[in-house]
Amino acid sequence: GAVVSQHPSWVICKSGTSVKIECRSLDFQATTMFWYRQFPKQSLMLMATSNEGSKATYEQGVEKDKFLINHASLTLSTLTVTSAHPEDSSFYICSARDTLGAAEQYFGPGTRLTVT
Amino acid sequence: RKEVEQDPGPFNVPEGATVAFNCTYSNSASQSFFWYRQDCRKEPKLLMSVYSSGNEDGRFTAQLNRASQYISLLIRDSKLSDSATYLCVVSLDETDSWGKFQFGAGTQVVVTP
Repeated sequence: GAVVSQHPSWVICKSGTSVKIECRSLDFQATTMFWYRQFPKQSLMLMATSNEGSKATYEQGVEKDKFLINHASLTLSTLTVTSAHPEDSSFYICSARDTLGAAEQYFGPGTRLTVT
Repeated sequence: RKEVEQDPGPFNVPEGATVAFNCTYSNSASQSFFWYRQDCRKEPKLLMSVYSSGNEDGRFTAQLNRASQYISLLIRDSKLSDSATYLCVVSLDETDSWGKFQFGAGTQVVVTP
């Protein structure tokens, strides 16, 4: 149980284009999902908290107009990187919490984004 | 000062040996504590939650010391497959923060034959 999927697992795009990443909880419902970014040899950095049916809450320094988050259902959240630039190249990971209230987060396998 | 601090290692451990390491956290309001492991270029996977009374899962033992604000992880009879980065994770009360995680930078463990 507690499986989270992400799609795509890797993507290469040209500078200026937009990329959408999907995060799905496969066998549980997730009121809250989180989006992280991880650069090589660094820890995960929380970008935003996504609550189903409401606006995402962004961490300080994360541009909400650049990283669009939509959490339209209890099993799906999407992150769209708009007008991507090479400095946006990173490993993007989502996580989800079960609506039943447990504190654990379950992570998706991540999406490796390379912007050329 | 970082919210969650870990010794980055690496801890080089002979196969079959025991290794232990700690993590300290700064916010006394922290409510939930976890150890995750992360393999290179992969997502974190939950290893175990950490309870006030301490808990054990096979070869892994976790302890929580609220007074001194640290948690520990002990791995007995280390296997080659235990080689990974171990992430200390702390969560505040969810009413204030949706249960956001605060991550340590990770402790790298390398088990050698």
